[in-house]
Amino acid sequence: GQSLEQPSEVTAVEGAIVQINCTYQTSGFYGLSWYQQHDGGAPTFLSYNALDGLEETGRFSSFLSRSDSYGYLLLQELQMKDSASYFCAAYLSGSARQLTFGSGTQLTVLP
Amino acid sequence: KAGVTQTPRYLIKTRGQQVTLSCSPISGHRSVSWYQQTPGQGLQFLFEYFSETQRNKGNFPGRFSGRQFSNSRSEMNVSTLELGDSALYLCASSLGQRETQYFGPGTRLLVL
Repeated sequence: GQSLEQPSEVTAVEGAIVQINCTYQTSGFYGLSWYQQHDGGAPTFLSYNALDGLEETGRFSSFLSRSDSYGYLLLQELQMKDSASYFCAAYLSGSARQLTFGSGTQLTVLP
Repeated sequence: KAGVTQTPRYLIKTRGQQVTLSCSPISGHRSVSWYQQTPGQGLQFLFEYFSETQRNKGNFPGRFSGRQFSNSRSEMNVSTLELGDSALYLCASSLGQRETQYFGPGTRLLVL
């Protein structure tokens, strides 16, 4: 079926760099989005890659490679407040009006 | 510009009851999507409305329904509540099809 796969957990220390990967299995694809969700909160939009390459927004960058069916979110200079769940999401062909989410990656930033 | 708002924020119901949740999208956004989030199942798509029409529906039973009004505000209704309906219900709005979605704070529903 059509799905987005990402690791369930990632742990890193303050100041470090962490990469959260997202792979997808679908023949049609309309770009990759990333959302952050703190415990008890709502998902917050972080970035969107419509085309291959790197998009940078402050400490966060996102990358997409359509040929590899792969993307990642890169978080630099980690801060304690970055501890949250991160979801990749995409509009997939066959369900183009439905945003499909990965299962989420729980990032824990240690002091 | 004000964000997506949802009411109520918290709700406690008992099995068999019904519930109506409300969502006001960002001004100018015509598409509203609803999601159910539980620890075990993650974010699951319920349905999407655009210009008062349901365009897409997820794999949920008929007890879950919704509607959208002419001002783009949306409501979702769950009838005959079950314990498994306890979840965070999220509403998201976007300008249109395949546009970036922006989420409201959610309604946390507890069914006893």
